[in-house]
Amino acid sequence: KQEVTQIPAALSVPEGENLVLNCSFTDSAIYNLQWFRQDPGKGLTSLLLIQSSQREQTSGRLNASLDKSSGRSTLYIAASQPGDSATYLCAVRSSWGKLQFGAGTQVVVTP
Amino acid sequence: EAGVTQFPSHSVIEKGQTVTLRCDPISGHDNLYWYRRVMGKEIKFLLHFVKESKQDESGMPNNRFLAERTGGTYSTLKVQPAELEDSGVYFCASSQWRERYNEQFFGPGTRLTVL
Repeated sequence: KQEVTQIPAALSVPEGENLVLNCSFTDSAIYNLQWFRQDPGKGLTSLLLIQSSQREQTSGRLNASLDKSSGRSTLYIAASQPGDSATYLCAVRSSWGKLQFGAGTQVVVTP
Repeated sequence: EAGVTQFPSHSVIEKGQTVTLRCDPISGHDNLYWYRRVMGKEIKFLLHFVKESKQDESGMPNNRFLAERTGGTYSTLKVQPAELEDSGVYFCASSQWRERYNEQFFGPGTRLTVL
């Protein structure tokens, strides 16, 4: 049974620092992994999708890596800004259809 | 291009009443999913439609929940009768036909409160 874990549950950094968010999963047989951002009271915004055959994916200040064999993904956000404050969720797809989510990491970037 | 839309954004009902949630996926997306987050827990999968057919409903909690997708377009999720533990945020998502390789795009969610 696939389990997805995100550590830490909460993170606070000063503006300008790089953010490192971790996601681990127990079953390496995945199709892909998706990172989302959720602002309070809002829906989920897809940030990056990494296919199982890829090692990393980049979009602007965001970079996500995937090490399928060790069951880990890391989301890096360079030069954090207060607008990056949100909850970040990772989700893996290991079967047709369903995404399995971690509990998320709540990020606060202080000015 | 319009994103996934959900209606209503909030619903407050009494225990025992019926509520129907609606989701309109991104135009042209054959795959539609329902998820929910109950207080303090992770977002959990409920079910998956491919066009009008239910592909996987393994996450539906019990027979008080009924999902339909008329003509392969919008979908409704009915809860009848609602119980206190049904309170939470219900999300809808959609993706294109190459389902397993494509991103799922989420709607803003419907916050359901059962009193």
